[in-house]
Amino acid sequence: GIQVEQSPPDLILQEGANSTLRCNFSDSVNNLQWFHQNPWGQLINLFYIPSGTKQNGRLSATTVATERYSLLYISSSQTTDSGVYFCAVELRADSWGKLQFGAGTQVVVTP
Amino acid sequence: DAGITQSPRHKVTETGTPVTLRCHQTENHRYMYWYRQDPGHGLRLIHYSYGVKDTDKGEVSDGYSVSRSKTEDFLLTLESATSSQTSVYFCAISGRLAGAYEQYFGPGTRLTVT
Repeated sequence: GIQVEQSPPDLILQEGANSTLRCNFSDSVNNLQWFHQNPWGQLINLFYIPSGTKQNGRLSATTVATERYSLLYISSSQTTDSGVYFCAVELRADSWGKLQFGAGTQVVVTP
Repeated sequence: DAGITQSPRHKVTETGTPVTLRCHQTENHRYMYWYRQDPGHGLRLIHYSYGVKDTDKGEVSDGYSVSRSKTEDFLLTLESATSSQTSVYFCAISGRLAGAYEQYFGPGTRLTVT
């Protein structure tokens, strides 16, 4: 099956710092999503981004489908950005939306 | 926020007992999914549904069954719970957008099998 690798596994940031999270995938994908799991366990949908670039406030994401990677940028980090960030991919258009998740990047933002 | 609820939110049960988890949506989405989350494994798909009474297995389906008798409810059943099924269970829903499926997750159910 498809491999989804996220890096780094852990990241500690001081408030106000910028960071980049990476997601590599081993095959062509129909869909890619980024999620944030907050410290209370809730999974929040950040971006649906099979290709191209999107921005939402201090977060932005870029997917280069031809090179099989996606990047999530966090700018001016805040303590509320702490949690685990997951990348998930859907392999084919006929796969009923089934997602394959990476292992996540644990982010801790310190005051 | 997508209208997804899960019940119960927490449950402790004994090995060998049956357990049913419920996912309820108010979005009228066609597609529903059950995932489990364990340390070191991220989220893994258990079963999914692509319509009423239409379900199929995911990556880790052994020991689980599902049912979907109406659009808004998707039930996950552990016929005889084992300690290896201690996990956090998430339900997700999806509406098809331009040929792809953006998923939204429920709050999760923490299940402990003793």
